[in-house]
Amino acid sequence: DAKTTQPNSMESNEEEPVHLPCNHSTISGTDYIHWYRQLPSQGPEYVIHGLTSNVNNRMASLAIAEDRKSSTLILHRATLRDAAVYYCILMNNAGNMLTFGGGTRLMVKP
Amino acid sequence: NAGVTQTPKFQVLKTGQSMTLQCAQDMNHNSMYWYRQDPGMGLRLIYYSASEGTTDKGEVPNGYNVSRLNKREFSLRLESAAPSQTSVYFCASSGTGGYTEAFFGQGTRLTVV
Repeated sequence: DAKTTQPNSMESNEEEPVHLPCNHSTISGTDYIHWYRQLPSQGPEYVIHGLTSNVNNRMASLAIAEDRKSSTLILHRATLRDAAVYYCILMNNAGNMLTFGGGTRLMVKP
Repeated sequence: NAGVTQTPKFQVLKTGQSMTLQCAQDMNHNSMYWYRQDPGMGLRLIYYSASEGTTDKGEVPNGYNVSRLNKREFSLRLESAAPSQTSVYFCASSGTGGYTEAFFGQGTRLTVV
């Protein structure tokens, strides 16, 4: 199964944009790139996903490299409530979400 | 909107005891998953079920069994609990197709003493 690699932690100032990178060099052509985040003492929650094109929703934007071997989750204005662990995972075309990885712990400073 | 419901939320077991963690989803999803999360770590897949009647091993299946009772329910059983199984267990479900988002339960915090 394709794996993802993320930095262990990142820091941001409140109200500033945050770019969270993810490498997935062994991604297959039918794998979707998903991002989830986990707030303290909660289960992960969906943030955004994409296949080839960049995606925007009310929570974030997802920028996908042309070769699809990496992607970046963009939080346009970080808030204290965005402090969480962010996971980049690949979901295959059968809808199977098999490997989570360690995620990136985002710390937001006031 | 119930989503994914896990029971119980907390459990303390003695070494060697058995128990079943229950998970139910009301979104008509085909795929269901069981993960464990140790302190400060990411989620590791124990078992998953791509459809009713099928189950497959994940990264860390040893010491666990699962049952996909029907489309809604996916249970995880510890036959003889060990302290190494102390963890937070999450159940999740998703539809068919990589474009569908997954939904997670709130977790079961299990302590084995």
